[in-house]
Amino acid sequence: RKEVEQDPGPFNVPEGATVAFNCTYSNSASQSFFWYRQDCRKEPKLLMSVYSSGNEDGRFTAQLNRASQYISLLIRDSKLSDSATYLCVVNTNAGKSTFGDGTTLTVKP
Amino acid sequence: DAGVIQSPRHEVTEMGQEVTLRCKPISGHDYLFWYRQTMMRGLELLIYFNNNVPIDDSGMPEDRFSAKMPNASFSTLKIQPSEPRDSAVYFCASSYTRADIQYFGAGTRLSVL
Repeated sequence: RKEVEQDPGPFNVPEGATVAFNCTYSNSASQSFFWYRQDCRKEPKLLMSVYSSGNEDGRFTAQLNRASQYISLLIRDSKLSDSATYLCVVNTNAGKSTFGDGTTLTVKP
Repeated sequence: DAGVIQSPRHEVTEMGQEVTLRCKPISGHDYLFWYRQTMMRGLELLIYFNNNVPIDDSGMPEDRFSAKMPNASFSTLKIQPSEPRDSAVYFCASSYTRADIQYFGAGTRLSVL
C-alpha cells in the first residue's frame, strides 16, 4: 500500500460544478499537509496548506480528518482554468515528505 | 527572488553519455530536493540536502546517479552513463525547513535516445 493515495481520476466536470478530491495517508505521525497544483508540462506549485481546523481560499476548501487519515480538497464553481493535476503532500514529524500521484481534473465548457 | 532555477530546460542525449543537471535554490532555503517525474511512477524523491549535506539518498535509483551541493546556491545531479529509462522530467525544489512548503524549479526534461 502506498503511503499517500489519491484517486487518479480523471475527473471531467462542467464549468460551475463542485468537485471534491480525497487523499488518504497511512502514517499516523504525519504532521503537515498541503495541496499542490501541477499544470501540464509545468512544475508543481503550492495551492494551499491544510490546517486541522480546515481552511478556505476563495473557491477552494481544504479539510483534514486525522481520525480517518485523509485530507480533502473541494473546488466550488469550477473554472476552465482549474483544469490541472492536484497533488496532495503529507509530511511526517521526522521531516519526510510524500507526494501523492495526483488527481487529474478537466473542466469543460 | 527569482525562485528555483534549473538548467538546462531540455536535454537530449544518447545512451551512454554523461548528463549533468543544475539547480540554484532560493536564497536562504536550507533544504534542497531532487525529484524525478514520469507517467508511470509519478513524482519520486531522489535525494535531499540540508545545509549542503546529503541527508537521504535512498531514492537514487542506482550508482549511475550522483548528486552534489558544493555550496548553498548550487547543486548538480549527474547521470553517468545515461540510459533510455532515465528519460523523465527532473525537478529541483527548495524549502526553509524539511516539512515546509517546497518551491519547485521549472524542471529539466531529459530524453535519452
